[in-house]
Amino acid sequence: DSGVTQTPKHLITATGQRVTLRCSPRSGDLSVYWYQQSLDQGLQFLIQYYNGEERAKGNILERFSAQQFPDLHSELNLSSLELGDSALYFCASSPELIDSGNTIYFGEGSWLTVV
Amino acid sequence: DAKTTQPTSMDCAEGRAANLPCNHSTISGNEYVYWYRQIHSQGPQYIIHGLKNNETNEMASLIITEDRKSSTLILPHATLRDTAVYYCIVRVARLAYSGGSNYKLTFGKGTLLTVNP
Repeated sequence: DSGVTQTPKHLITATGQRVTLRCSPRSGDLSVYWYQQSLDQGLQFLIQYYNGEERAKGNILERFSAQQFPDLHSELNLSSLELGDSALYFCASSPELIDSGNTIYFGEGSWLTVV
Repeated sequence: DAKTTQPTSMDCAEGRAANLPCNHSTISGNEYVYWYRQIHSQGPQYIIHGLKNNETNEMASLIITEDRKSSTLILPHATLRDTAVYYCIVRVARLAYSGGSNYKLTFGKGTLLTVNP
């Protein structure tokens, strides 16, 4: 158990709909990362938040957005869903403190199926 | 982040040591070598990381060459449950400032290790 909690574990929704994936980082971790893994792609970095602020953006579509709340949990919002958005979405967290161990730990993922 | 090169796949007999190589010839002085693995459709699992000294923990050993251009992850007694994709990643670990933009993990295709009975 990495200590990173993601909900829901599985989600099936129709094209055009909107879903929200939730992530609770490990206790004390300030940074949250979101990754996407589809069948034909590897693990793709989407976005990073640090203590409530966006810090890095990767291959995230404009239809997707994320935020990190004051209690440090994060949500990834996926809208106008398309079949190609079907994937595993992973959240990861890290303390990201200066001059300390900064290993990134991953949750077990949220399976999204768009039909 | 420096790029890494790993074999696409490897086989290992159960109970034997699994030695997974990784080349990272463009690694910078402040970049660490990290190893993660992903068992089918589970979240990537942290294994070990190191800068220049060899490292060992309860899961594995990491051997880094003196010039730091390559490394080897060693699973001393592989079991069937070690069958997974293993990722070698180089990344800054000792931060210059908090929450910077260059500290994400960039995953390549990794090595599919199959442990056979």
